[in-house]
Amino acid sequence: GENVEQHPSTLSVQEGDSAVIKCTYSDSASNYFPWYKQELGKRPQLIIDIRSNVGEKKDQRIAVTLNKTAKHFSLHITETQPEDSAVYFCAASMSGTASKLTFGTGTRLQVTL
Amino acid sequence: NAGVTQTPKFQVLKTGQSMTLQCAQDMNHNSMYWYRQDPGMGLRLIYYSASEGTTDKGEVPNGYNVSRLNKREFSLRLESAAPSQTSVYFCASRGETYNSPLHFGNGTRLTVT
Repeated sequence: GENVEQHPSTLSVQEGDSAVIKCTYSDSASNYFPWYKQELGKRPQLIIDIRSNVGEKKDQRIAVTLNKTAKHFSLHITETQPEDSAVYFCAASMSGTASKLTFGTGTRLQVTL
Repeated sequence: NAGVTQTPKFQVLKTGQSMTLQCAQDMNHNSMYWYRQDPGMGLRLIYYSASEGTTDKGEVPNGYNVSRLNKREFSLRLESAAPSQTSVYFCASRGETYNSPLHFGNGTRLTVT
């Protein structure tokens, strides 16, 4: 089955700096790559996603890039703010009925003042 | 619109006791999932259901059973709880297309002593 690796496990940046989280996946058939943000004590929530026919997608301060050849994708957060502090999960999925999302192990992002 | 509702929010069990975690969604989704979340290990799939009447094992099914009671409800049962099952459990549902996001419930924090 699919295996998703995520790095780093923890990341500390100063407010206003950029943060980058990287993931690799194993199954070349995967074609959907969402990112979830989980604040302390809360449920994971989707923040951005990308499909395999797109190389990059942006939503305000958040962007995701995908390299299908290398089988890796990254989350970029610019101009970080304290409210960006959370755990971020990448995931990968294939097409098909009830396609399963396989998650990375998470990155704890701390934005310091 | 409640989304995905899980009960209970917290539970403490003694080793060997049984319990059922309840999950219901009101988004008319066919696909439903049970994940467990442990520190440093991300979200791991226990069982999933592509439609009413069907269930399949995920990555970590041992020690669990599930029931897809109807389209709305998907329950997770621990027949004989073990300390290794101490975790946070999330139910989720998803729409029909492969790039539909997962919608998570608020989670159940289970401690087995």
